[in-house]
Amino acid sequence: RKEVEQDPGPFNVPEGATVAFNCTYSNSASQSFFWYRQDCRKEPKLLMSVYSSGNEDGRFTAQLNRASQYISLLIRDSKLSDSATYLCVFTSGTYKYIFGTGTRLKVLA
Amino acid sequence: DGGITQSPKYLFRKEGQNVTLSCEQNLNHDAMYWYRQDPGQGLRLIYYSQIVNDFQKGDIAEGYSVSREKKESFPLTVTSAQKNPTAFYLCASSIDSSGNTIYFGEGSWLTVV
Repeated sequence: RKEVEQDPGPFNVPEGATVAFNCTYSNSASQSFFWYRQDCRKEPKLLMSVYSSGNEDGRFTAQLNRASQYISLLIRDSKLSDSATYLCVFTSGTYKYIFGTGTRLKVLA
Repeated sequence: DGGITQSPKYLFRKEGQNVTLSCEQNLNHDAMYWYRQDPGQGLRLIYYSQIVNDFQKGDIAEGYSVSREKKESFPLTVTSAQKNPTAFYLCASSIDSSGNTIYFGEGSWLTVV
């Protein structure tokens, strides 16, 4: 099983839609989980950390399911500006961050 | 502004040349990292440093070298031994190496001509 798996997309959704991505991981010992956003030819930027109880930041909701070993990101009321690639990231021991290949989202007018 | 500064943003290298990518952070972070990103692949770790004067090889260290003489600086040298150096290089840092949020510089695009 791969360390991390993400659907590459693209997910093409109309403005105002709700869209969700999942990311599965294989290391059950992983402790920290994150979602990053990466625009074309730019660096990844932290979108939100993912906590065990789930967390929300405006239109974005992140959840962690340790039993099934996946994290999810839900985006409500999609905006054109949400178009980007979303990377899941988790830690594997000290210093080691594992990055997904990213899910591409296109929000259409 | 606090953050991570990488330079140059774009660099062209002739085959057989060594090049050095600069990375400076003023976040007072102990841990620093270098990643490489290729199309369709996740970020791959080249080198990391948990503290000044110490660094360790990552998953794809061959053909690269680093130094960590100062807390704020972690330059990466891409040597002529690196067979396929054309890529997007990202420097990053975190407070420590215990799984805290990792922050990235704007990246450096290296093209071999």
